[in-house]
Amino acid sequence: DTAVSQTPKYLVTQMGNDKSIKCEQNLGHDTMYWYKQDSKKFLKIMFSYNNKELIINETVPNRFSPKSPDKAHLNLHINSLELGDSAVYFCASSRGGGANYGYTFGSGTRLTVV
Amino acid sequence: DQQVKQNSPSLSVQEGRISILNCDYTNSMFDYFLWYKKYPAEGPTFLISISSIKDKNEDGRFTVFLNKSAKHLSLHIVPSQPGDSAVYFCAATGPGGGTYKYIFGTGTRLKVLA
Repeated sequence: DTAVSQTPKYLVTQMGNDKSIKCEQNLGHDTMYWYKQDSKKFLKIMFSYNNKELIINETVPNRFSPKSPDKAHLNLHINSLELGDSAVYFCASSRGGGANYGYTFGSGTRLTVV
Repeated sequence: DQQVKQNSPSLSVQEGRISILNCDYTNSMFDYFLWYKKYPAEGPTFLISISSIKDKNEDGRFTVFLNKSAKHLSLHIVPSQPGDSAVYFCAATGPGGGTYKYIFGTGTRLKVLA
């Protein structure tokens, strides 16, 4: 039973399109995250939500909009996709800020913008 | 500004020997550190953590050492096994260990040779 699941696993789309990535966790965690891993393999935080409230927004273009309908879900919607958005996007969850046990990551969504 | 650095992109070790993965950080406010392991096409998996009040933490074959004065941590794997072949990320946060934002290094690819 997958703890943090992301869909889709692969996404290929054209520039200018709007797309969404969904994330769900069944661990009962109260904090969820989106991380981006770029071509240089940097894992960089984008957003963090605690109990459905946005607590971290790391200088991400406003074309990216996270939505947390409840504590178990954190979706990522991207408008007007650009070539530079191509990356692997990881969703993660944790209890509180992630001390002691860190985050539980999903398996990633590879987004390719053509 | 890369606050967490893993200067060795790759490392090869014979099965049964010790693997030592290194990580340096620049932010003296960091006080909680994690190591993650990542297999291809999967999300990172939490391995071991250490807080700044300790200089060593051990879990089975994995030991993390922290040298605060040098702003350096290392992960020792003894003995190394072929299944340990993966990319290893260190991550840091602080102060307080619960700031909902871990900064990741770029990873070191470990290959354990049978």
